[in-house]
Amino acid sequence: EVQLLESGGDLVQPGGSLRLSCVVSGFSFSSYGMSWVRQAPGKGLEWVASISASVGRTEYADSVKGRFTISRDNAKKTLYLQMNDVRADDTAIYYCAKSGVYFQYWGQGTPVTVSS
Amino acid sequence: EIVLTQSPGILSLSPGERVTLSCRASQSVSSSYLAWYQQKPGQPPRLLVYATSSRATGIPDRFSGSGSGTDFTLTISKLEPEDFAVYYCQQYGGSPSYTFGQGTKLEIK
Repeated sequence: EVQLLESGGDLVQPGGSLRLSCVVSGFSFSSYGMSWVRQAPGKGLEWVASISASVGRTEYADSVKGRFTISRDNAKKTLYLQMNDVRADDTAIYYCAKSGVYFQYWGQGTPVTVSS
Repeated sequence: EIVLTQSPGILSLSPGERVTLSCRASQSVSSSYLAWYQQKPGQPPRLLVYATSSRATGIPDRFSGSGSGTDFTLTISKLEPEDFAVYYCQQYGGSPSYTFGQGTKLEIK
């Protein structure tokens, strides 16, 4: 059974930092690209960042470029999102997802709230 | 940036009815790179259809996708009570790499 389990979401002050994690099981983690997708309260889906399987090529949405860093540890089957200099509009549920040209499997999400 | 526009925003229908959801792209999208998702309240999105018309594992055959170029559709042939949800289309390959439509909410009439 495929499982993606996110953690690390929290209440953080504007300008602060947070690191999200996503532990994966049920498929060969090191063979697939992975992504973070977020959903602000009551809003639609927004792609945040992606990382390729092996060489770790990364891509970011313009809204987070320079502030967020996606990374992976294939030995630990874990995906990360380092969030720095967070803003109020980063408030959302953050989902990790197995990705290629589409998002095949999703975690349940971890909530991030940016507020003073 | 490839913008995906879904219509209508909200649809009120009854179980048993047939429904077609529209997703229009601001520029041509490869049919290999267009997907549809279903999301219910408090749940993550679930992949329904990928590559325009291929159903994901476990998706009932009442769901079907079609289209090409800039116009894509998701059809549900006979609505079941569990189909009332929000539906999103998504494309890959533009800049940014992935974009989603704003969603169509399917509600019970």
